[in-house]
Amino acid sequence: AQSVSQHNHHVILSEAASLELGCNYSYGGTVNLFWYVQYPGQHLQLLLKYFSGDPLVKGIKGFEAEFIKSKFSFNLRKPSVQWSDTAEYFCAVIPGGATNKLIFGTGTLLAVQP
Amino acid sequence: GAVVSQHPSWVICKSGTSVKIECRSLDFQATTMFWYRQFPKQSLMLMATSNEGSKATYEQGVEKDKFLINHASLTLSTLTVTSAHPEDSSFYICSAREHRGPPNYGYTFGSGTRLTVV
Repeated sequence: AQSVSQHNHHVILSEAASLELGCNYSYGGTVNLFWYVQYPGQHLQLLLKYFSGDPLVKGIKGFEAEFIKSKFSFNLRKPSVQWSDTAEYFCAVIPGGATNKLIFGTGTLLAVQP
Repeated sequence: GAVVSQHPSWVICKSGTSVKIECRSLDFQATTMFWYRQFPKQSLMLMATSNEGSKATYEQGVEKDKFLINHASLTLSTLTVTSAHPEDSSFYICSAREHRGPPNYGYTFGSGTRLTVV
């Protein structure tokens, strides 16, 4: 079945460590890609999105993601994490075609230790 | 920025009763709204797509008679969980798509509703 996969379910890092969260999707054709973050007790917020153009996308709070079409991937990165980055991160895809449905990955829970 | 208000944020109901959840776009028009369900430690599962003025489109496996969706205006969609049972207990989240075309349309999420059926 077509899906969005996040292989890291739970990541623990120390402050200042670098972060990379994986996201792979199985939809063919043109896709729109998103990363959302959910801080404890808060609602989902958009970190960044990719529709077209430069495959390296910069988002808020120092996050970036790279779209690699050949690998069906859209990994999220941050050079140096902070304690305040502790949250759950969701990759999401709008598959190509007429649909505008946002399909979410299973999420990655990031815990940053001070 | 765009804001989506979801109400109530938390509700407890007795088994067999119905619960209505509201999702409002406060400062923009939303021709399309989405309803998600999130189980503990799991991702958001799309339940249905709500289109203003027409019937909702349900995802496979979602009972449309149990989860009634009404999108009567460009700023309001409601989800009614009918004859709720304990297995319906979950976190329900709505999302509204701003009335702008691609490529820059955005999705704004409500704060969610925690439903507990006892």
